[in-house]
Amino acid sequence: AQTVTQSQPEMSVQEAETVTLSCTYDTSESDYYLFWYKQPPSRQMILVIRQEAYKQQNATENRFSVNFQKAAKSFSLKISDSQLGDAAMYFCAYRSREGYIDNYGQNFVFGPGTRLSVLP
Amino acid sequence: GAVVSQHPSRVICKSGTSVKIECRSLDFQATTMFWYRQFPKQSLMLMATSNEGSKATYEQGVEKDKFLINHASLTLSTLTVTSAHPEDSSFYICSARDRSIGEAFFGQGTRLTVV
Repeated sequence: AQTVTQSQPEMSVQEAETVTLSCTYDTSESDYYLFWYKQPPSRQMILVIRQEAYKQQNATENRFSVNFQKAAKSFSLKISDSQLGDAAMYFCAYRSREGYIDNYGQNFVFGPGTRLSVLP
Repeated sequence: GAVVSQHPSRVICKSGTSVKIECRSLDFQATTMFWYRQFPKQSLMLMATSNEGSKATYEQGVEKDKFLINHASLTLSTLTVTSAHPEDSSFYICSARDRSIGEAFFGQGTRLTVV
């Protein structure tokens, strides 16, 4: 079974600065998806960024980028020019690619989360 | 992006009663929906996988007779918490998979409080 670990329960960053959130995972599969989700106080899960394991290029979305190290099974999220609205819980998640499992599953496996505070 | 509507967003019920939570995919067909539970300051834990037209698959430790899941159509899955007790108070989130694009989307979540 896959596992996702986030070793930083809490992080803080000064507004306009850069912060990196860590994530490691364990899997025996060779092709899969990795995600970062943001959960603000409203509790709505918001997709921040997605990475397909077969793609070597790191995904980027505006101020958000990842450092995907497949061999090391590491998937960190970098937030540049941090804004007050970035304050939230951030969850790293793993999902199998279709065809790798014998059911319709493809559920997410979530890490424990990192609470990010942005200081004005 | 695709929209998943979860209703109600908040519900308070008395101990011993049942509560139904709905999860609808508004602009796509979802052959598979997932139900998660999230305790305060914790991560999302998968409770069950709901497949349209068939019985749900429950994760180990989740009582299927207590958490009834029905996925009667391609756009609707329901979770019924039967004979709710205070320990069932939690945040419940659904996710629906759009098979046409291989992507899953989350509902807004339901905060259940059992008093």
